[in-house]
Amino acid sequence: GQQVMQIPQYQHVQEGEDFTTYCNSSTTLSNIQWYKQRPGGHPVFLIQLVKSGEVKKQKRLTFQFGEAKKNSSLHITATQTTDVGTYFCAAIIQGAQKLVFGQGTRLTINP
Amino acid sequence: NAGVTQTPKFQVLKTGQSMTLQCAQDMNHEYMSWYRQDPGMGLRLIHYSVGAGITDQGEVPNGYNVSRSTTEDFPLRLLSAAPSQTSVYFCASRVAGAPYEQYFGPGTRLTVT
Repeated sequence: GQQVMQIPQYQHVQEGEDFTTYCNSSTTLSNIQWYKQRPGGHPVFLIQLVKSGEVKKQKRLTFQFGEAKKNSSLHITATQTTDVGTYFCAAIIQGAQKLVFGQGTRLTINP
Repeated sequence: NAGVTQTPKFQVLKTGQSMTLQCAQDMNHEYMSWYRQDPGMGLRLIHYSVGAGITDQGEVPNGYNVSRSTTEDFPLRLLSAAPSQTSVYFCASRVAGAPYEQYFGPGTRLTVT
């Protein structure tokens, strides 16, 4: 079964509204990565979090890693039409090499 | 650098046919993997390899074979295509060991009728 759960599956917002997607795991994660896939494109790496409680920012995007290293979130402030796409979290489960992805959150924006 | 390349971009197969999806990377990455993407299912790992001569199964390996004879190439073989294998297939690569970012190819859209 899916080892990394991501919610919501879909989110539709008005341009300028905020957006958040959440990633949860029942097991402790070595790290968490976030990817963005534009419609018709391939996933592109955004960022990686490694430390417990880590917070990183990229312009309007804020990424957080939970204290227990079992959850993470991506928050976009004041969405723009260029933010449209599907956002995936991904993690290497401790003790394994393989990178496992969440189901993704598809973001659509009303201009 | 071309990065990760995949061929073909589109393919239509009949049930029971076999084919190979090609993947190559020119970044000297040890780790390569194959994912399939289906609506609502995200990216599911099919097979992966941590180096030439080493492969392992992912979440959904049934119906697929892989081999890794060189660092650069990681082909995915469908032995007997089934409609359930209709999907978009992505190949990816990264530096092995520490969790470095993963680079994806442009994808192959496969339809099995």
